[in-house]
Amino acid sequence: NAGVTQTPKFQVLKTGQSMTLQCAQDMNHEYMSWYRQDPGMGLRLIHYSVGAGITDQGEVPNGYNVSRSTTEDFPLRLLSAAPSQTSVYFCASKPQGTLAKLFFGSGTQLSVL
Amino acid sequence: AQTVTQSQPEMSVQEAETVTLSCTYDTSESNYYLFWYKQPPSRQMILVIRQEAYKQQNATENRFSVNFQKAAKSFSLKISDSQLGDTAMYFCAFMKPYNAGNMLTFGGGTRLMVKP
Repeated sequence: NAGVTQTPKFQVLKTGQSMTLQCAQDMNHEYMSWYRQDPGMGLRLIHYSVGAGITDQGEVPNGYNVSRSTTEDFPLRLLSAAPSQTSVYFCASKPQGTLAKLFFGSGTQLSVL
Repeated sequence: AQTVTQSQPEMSVQEAETVTLSCTYDTSESNYYLFWYKQPPSRQMILVIRQEAYKQQNATENRFSVNFQKAAKSFSLKISDSQLGDTAMYFCAFMKPYNAGNMLTFGGGTRLMVKP
């Protein structure tokens, strides 16, 4: 059971470039989300999805797009990368239920130069 | 909006000793959930313990326990018999019930070093 898989683990972009961070889970979880982690600020929610075809914004959605065409995959797109998007990105999923355990991927460290 | 504050950026403890990490939060909600997450150098986020605000009893998980003071809006984590593997960043997090995004609000973290 792989859990939540994120790729790539590290990425360096130039300002203005676009890229997609991949996230896949094999636990048939309905809920998936993306967080970013910045020093001294903990993690902040970017976007989330409660099922295939359903996405919504979190706390810091600007500059990011998401889609959820399947239960398993929840990619995060940066259309035009900015230095302010330098961060560590975490994908997380969980089954239904408010207190269900949230499973995190191992993160993607992104640097935008 | 909720805020979570961890006032200790760094702490250290000797192996086998006990250490307490502090967390305070601000909310107008009467019911909510609180969590402690551990992030070792591997970067993986690991749930350590969770507390439901309507429960009076403090949660415990093996060597980890919390001191939940609802009136003071305080949620500290006590680690007993500290082990080298406890070296990590620790994040306190808050969640309102019934929020569609199941959003966790995290504190800034406390870096804990366990010394041999």
